[in-house]
Amino acid sequence: AQSVAQPEDQVNVAEGNPLTVKCTYSVSGNPYLFWYVQYPNRGLQFLLKYITGDNLVKGSYGFEAEFNKSQTSFHLKKPSALVSDSALYFCAVCGMNRDDKIIFGKGTRLHILP
Amino acid sequence: SAVISQKPSRDICQRGTSLTIQCQVDSQVTMMFWYRQQPGQSLTLIATANQGSEATYESGFVIDKFPISRPNLTFSTLTVSNMSPEDSSIYLCSVGGGYGSGAIYEQYFGPGTRLTVT
Repeated sequence: AQSVAQPEDQVNVAEGNPLTVKCTYSVSGNPYLFWYVQYPNRGLQFLLKYITGDNLVKGSYGFEAEFNKSQTSFHLKKPSALVSDSALYFCAVCGMNRDDKIIFGKGTRLHILP
Repeated sequence: SAVISQKPSRDICQRGTSLTIQCQVDSQVTMMFWYRQQPGQSLTLIATANQGSEATYESGFVIDKFPISRPNLTFSTLTVSNMSPEDSSIYLCSVGGGYGSGAIYEQYFGPGTRLTVT
């Protein structure tokens, strides 16, 4: 069965510092991996995805994520945090089998402190 | 990308009543999805709505409670029937995505409908 875990309910980072939001997954075979962001009173917005190829994926708003197959992780990163990055972040995974569904993590709330 | 709108954006309803949520997409899409996002929890897929066929419901969700219409390729409705306080949640419409090899695309989400049942 597929699963995705975001071990941190909340992450606090000072503005200008690098940030990391953790995600680990479990899926049979190779995964498709996604990150989404949800700002207050808005729907989820797509940030980036890993399908195949380079393990470092770059996405919107300066975010990037690194796929690590041995650690089954797909952590979201940004070199220098902005206050406007404060939001709820969701990791999602989907297997490659035809019947696999996209599974979302429980979300991590990111607070960027001015 | 797709632009998705939902109506209403929020509502407060009495238990035992029903609410229909509308989802409009600015382009034609084959599949539309309805999710529930309960406070402090992740997204849970309720059902997949294909145009011209019955919606496919996930485990724990039934058509009598969450009837769905999909009259054309740009529109869908989700009804939350005979509501109870446990139905208080954010309901999200989504398009895109994929279920397996050869069809993996990112999903696009509507702004959500925040439902409170008293």
